[in-house]
Amino acid sequence: DTEVTQTPKHLVMGMTNKKSLKCEQHMGHRAMYWYKQKAKKPPELMFVYSYEKLSINESVPSRFSPECPNSSLLNLHLHALQPEDSALYLCASSQGDMNTEAFFGQGTRLTVV
Amino acid sequence: RKEVEQDPGPFNVPEGATVAFNCTYSNSASQSFFWYRQDCRKEPKLLMSVYSSGNEDGRFTAQLNRASQYISLLIRDSKLSDSATYLCVVNKGNEKLTFGTGTRLTIIP
Repeated sequence: DTEVTQTPKHLVMGMTNKKSLKCEQHMGHRAMYWYKQKAKKPPELMFVYSYEKLSINESVPSRFSPECPNSSLLNLHLHALQPEDSALYLCASSQGDMNTEAFFGQGTRLTVV
Repeated sequence: RKEVEQDPGPFNVPEGATVAFNCTYSNSASQSFFWYRQDCRKEPKLLMSVYSSGNEDGRFTAQLNRASQYISLLIRDSKLSDSATYLCVVNKGNEKLTFGTGTRLTIIP
């Protein structure tokens, strides 16, 4: 079983709603990631946090706002999303060393109506 | 040219056969390489890391050719449970994991 836990597993939200996705890992990993995956496409990187600091933002629209309260937690705050933002949102973590693999949570399947 | 390229398939292979996938990457400075598998509507799961010397894990063998900038995955004696999408992943050394488009494999009974 995955050691990266994401909540909720499913989320339906309106375009005017504000919601948050949560991710937690207890593997002592120092890097945490948010990916977005559309159907039949590979995951696309959104954000990377390294040692609790934002290190990579892949030009993601400001309606997505990441937050890393501590080394175990990663949030993604959502506001004023569009229907095309509907996707599987995956959280991952790694030791942060360039040669180590990343482990993924089960994802949050988001539908924007 | 995409950073990481794979043949999307689908590959439809009879049970027990051997199947091989290739993946090419464009950045010669890439540092580390992985194969992940992803089942339908599930998260990607690490299958194996890929080392310069090549590595084997049971029925699976991964190889890296830095000179030609490609990675391969060989599956021997394929099982029905091997049906999945196989994703090639490359790390350039900046914590950014780049995924290939994935290769869809179906094992036929």
